[in-house]
Amino acid sequence: GDSVTQTEGLVTLTEGLPVMLNCTYQTIYSNPFLFWYVQHLNESPRLLLKSFTDNKRTEHQGFHATLHKSSSSFHLQKSSAQLSDSALYYCALSAGGNYKPTFGKGTSLVVHP
Amino acid sequence: ETAVFQTPNYHVTQVGNEVSFNCKQTLGHDTMYWYKQDSKKLLKIMFSYNNKQLIVNETVPRRFSPQSSDKAHLNLRIKSVEPEDSAVYLCASSWDWGNQDTQYFGPGTRLLVL
Repeated sequence: GDSVTQTEGLVTLTEGLPVMLNCTYQTIYSNPFLFWYVQHLNESPRLLLKSFTDNKRTEHQGFHATLHKSSSSFHLQKSSAQLSDSALYYCALSAGGNYKPTFGKGTSLVVHP
Repeated sequence: ETAVFQTPNYHVTQVGNEVSFNCKQTLGHDTMYWYKQDSKKLLKIMFSYNNKQLIVNETVPRRFSPQSSDKAHLNLRIKSVEPEDSAVYLCASSWDWGNQDTQYFGPGTRLLVL
């Protein structure tokens, strides 16, 4: 079945440094949708960005990601981390006829001054 | 206000009891879901309904049963809860049940089984 692998566990950064959270996926289907969801403390997950198009950069709220089907990757990046970026980030995949997203294990990002 | 609403926010119960959680969405979406988020923050889909019809039924214990009266409501009943059921149960909705559809999550119901 489908699977998503994210940067393990906790990523700690100093404010102002670049953010990169890795996401790779496996699916037998050729046209997957990839999503990044963000969950702040005591909140529920919400969509950050999503993509379907190969090699096209998608941006939202300062974050960006590019779907690369050749490497089955959809890494999340930001040029300069802010304290408010501290949250749990999920990469998710939806493909084929299952119509149900598969979530990665989540990556906790902590940004400190 | 248009959103996904869940009740209760928090529920504490003892092993063997039955619990029910409610979810309502006012977004006009056709599809609703139940997810379980465990203590390690793993997020797994349990069920999804499209226009009151069950379309996804993951491998979950039979004590879990979803109920949908219309496309705006999806409830979850757990008969005879067990300690491993302690988790946050997130309800979500989406416009349709295609791969492109964004999940809109409710605030969650936190269940603690003693």
